[in-house]
Amino acid sequence: KQEVTQIPAALSVPEGENLVLNCSFTDSAIYNLQWFRQDPGKGLTSLLLIQSSQREQTSGRLNASLDKSSGRSTLYIAASQPGDSATYLCAGHNSGNTPLVFGKGTRLSVIA
Amino acid sequence: SAVISQKPSRDICQRGTSLTIQCQVDSQVTMMFWYRQQPGQSLTLIATANQGSEATYESGFVIDKFPISRPNLTFSTLTVSNMSPEDSSIYLCSVPKRGATDTQYFGPGTRLTVL
Repeated sequence: KQEVTQIPAALSVPEGENLVLNCSFTDSAIYNLQWFRQDPGKGLTSLLLIQSSQREQTSGRLNASLDKSSGRSTLYIAASQPGDSATYLCAGHNSGNTPLVFGKGTRLSVIA
Repeated sequence: SAVISQKPSRDICQRGTSLTIQCQVDSQVTMMFWYRQQPGQSLTLIATANQGSEATYESGFVIDKFPISRPNLTFSTLTVSNMSPEDSSIYLCSVPKRGATDTQYFGPGTRLTVL
């Protein structure tokens, strides 16, 4: 059964800094890996989806990578802004019919 | 993208009572997932609800506590029974999206506070 781990649990950085959030998973037969953002008291916002055949996806200042052999994914945020402050969740599943398994998240604070 | 609505959006309940949460999807789906997000925590899967069969519960969740109904392909309910303060959480329903980019859509969640 897929298990997802995220480190660090919390991260505080000054505005403008580039940063990396880490996600690891136990089953290399992962089908899709997805990064979400969650603001306090709000729902989930999908950021990037990486299919198993892909190595990375980019959207604006965000870049997510997937390395199935090592069981790792990273979310790179360039030139961080205070508006990036949120909890970032990594989730994966082993097929389109199985539910996403979530990591515990990384709580990011970007200080102006 | 699928549109998912949940009712109620939030509720405050007394210990020992039960609350039924409704999830409505604007298209027919075979599977629906129910998640719980406890304060400050990530999402944990409660159960998978397939239309026409019993829900499949994850370890740590039982039908007596979280009965689920799935009367048709666009609707499901989750009941939180005999509530205690530990049940205070956000409950979310979710459905899979099939296609070139299989993923899941999430409802807005039901924020439950148990006093």
